[in-house]
Amino acid sequence: GIQVEQSPPDLILQEGANSTLRCNFSDSVNNLQWFHQNPWGQLINLFYIPSGTKQNGRLSATTVATERYSLLYISSSQTTDSGVYFCAVEAGGTSYGKLTFGQGTILTVHP
Amino acid sequence: SAVISQKPSRDICQRGTSLTIQCQVDSQVTMMFWYRQQPGQSLTLIATANQGSEATYESGFVIDKFPISRPNLTFSTLTVSNMSPEDSSIYLCSVEGQGHYNEQFFGPGTRLTVL
Repeated sequence: GIQVEQSPPDLILQEGANSTLRCNFSDSVNNLQWFHQNPWGQLINLFYIPSGTKQNGRLSATTVATERYSLLYISSSQTTDSGVYFCAVEAGGTSYGKLTFGQGTILTVHP
Repeated sequence: SAVISQKPSRDICQRGTSLTIQCQVDSQVTMMFWYRQQPGQSLTLIATANQGSEATYESGFVIDKFPISRPNLTFSTLTVSNMSPEDSSIYLCSVEGQGHYNEQFFGPGTRLTVL
């Protein structure tokens, strides 16, 4: 099956710093999403981005499908950005609706 | 988007017992998905639940351990049977949102601890 690798596994920042999270995937995808899991376990949708670039406030994401990677940018980080960031993909073919998750990036933002 | 609720939000159970988790969606959806997140790990798909047919299980998951019901287009249940401490996880259901894109939305999860 499709492989999804996220880097870095852990990231520690001071408030106000910028960061880039990366997601590599091993095959073509129909869907790619970025999620933020808060301390209570809730998965928050950040971006649906199988290709192209999107921005939402301090967050932006870019997916280069032909090169099989996606990047999540966090600018001017805040303590509330802390948590786990997951990249998840839906592989092409018969994987309709089934998401494969990366191992996540644990982000800690200190005041 | 889709609004998804799950019950219970958390539970502590004794080994050998079973727990049924409910997932309710605010709109009709064709497919519902059940995921497991073991402590400190990522999410893994357990099965796909289609209304009117048997659930489709992923490798490593079996119906006897995780029976699933899908009685209508807005509701599904997942039962964790004959539980052991290794079943301690967060269990989440997900659906595709309405509209053109197949964006997935997740319920708040059920945090299960097995003693």
